[in-house]
Amino acid sequence: GNSVTQMEGPVTLSEEAFLTINCTYTATGYPSLFWYVQYPGEGLQLLLKATKADDKGSNKGFEATYRKETTSFHLEKGSVQVSDSAVYFCALYNAGNMLTFGGGTRLMVKP
Amino acid sequence: ETGVTQTPRHLVMGMTNKKSLKCEQHLGHNAMYWYKQSAKKPLELMFVYSLEERVENNSVPSRFSPECPNSSHLFLHLHTLQPEDSALYLCASSPAGSGYSGNTIYFGEGSWLTVV
Repeated sequence: GNSVTQMEGPVTLSEEAFLTINCTYTATGYPSLFWYVQYPGEGLQLLLKATKADDKGSNKGFEATYRKETTSFHLEKGSVQVSDSAVYFCALYNAGNMLTFGGGTRLMVKP
Repeated sequence: ETGVTQTPRHLVMGMTNKKSLKCEQHLGHNAMYWYKQSAKKPLELMFVYSLEERVENNSVPSRFSPECPNSSHLFLHLHTLQPEDSALYLCASSPAGSGYSGNTIYFGEGSWLTVV
């Protein structure tokens, strides 16, 4: 079956630090990969996506590259801001309309 | 604004009450979903409707009853819930189809449910 594994949080960084949140997956076929973000008190919002191997998704300074050889989709940002504090979910989308989520990683950015 | 609207945003109900959560999407999608988000737990897929037919029911207790009257609306009827059912309930929608096309699911902001 499909599964997504994310690093456990919380991840605490100072403003302008470099961010990496690891995500690896197990899936059959060729899934699409996503990062969603959930700000405090809100629902999930799509942050970025990649639909095939070696694609790079990017948005708001965040980026992630679909690595089929390592089955990974790590999220990175060069310089985080306090406003990036949120919970980040890695997910894969496969045949059958099913979206499989990782457990979420809470990011806390301090001024 | 994601195009998926959930009401109410907050709901407090007693264990003997009957209430419903509503979800409406304005994106022309034909698949809709209910997810449960509890503290310190992964997101749990509860129900999936595709073309108004239920295609997934992940062993959800019968005190949760979904209804999808058309492709734009999805309800979650709640009856005799337990305190452990307190959570954020997220509705989502997407075009029906395989993941090859990179279809994306859009989420509502969620309904915070507290059972007392």
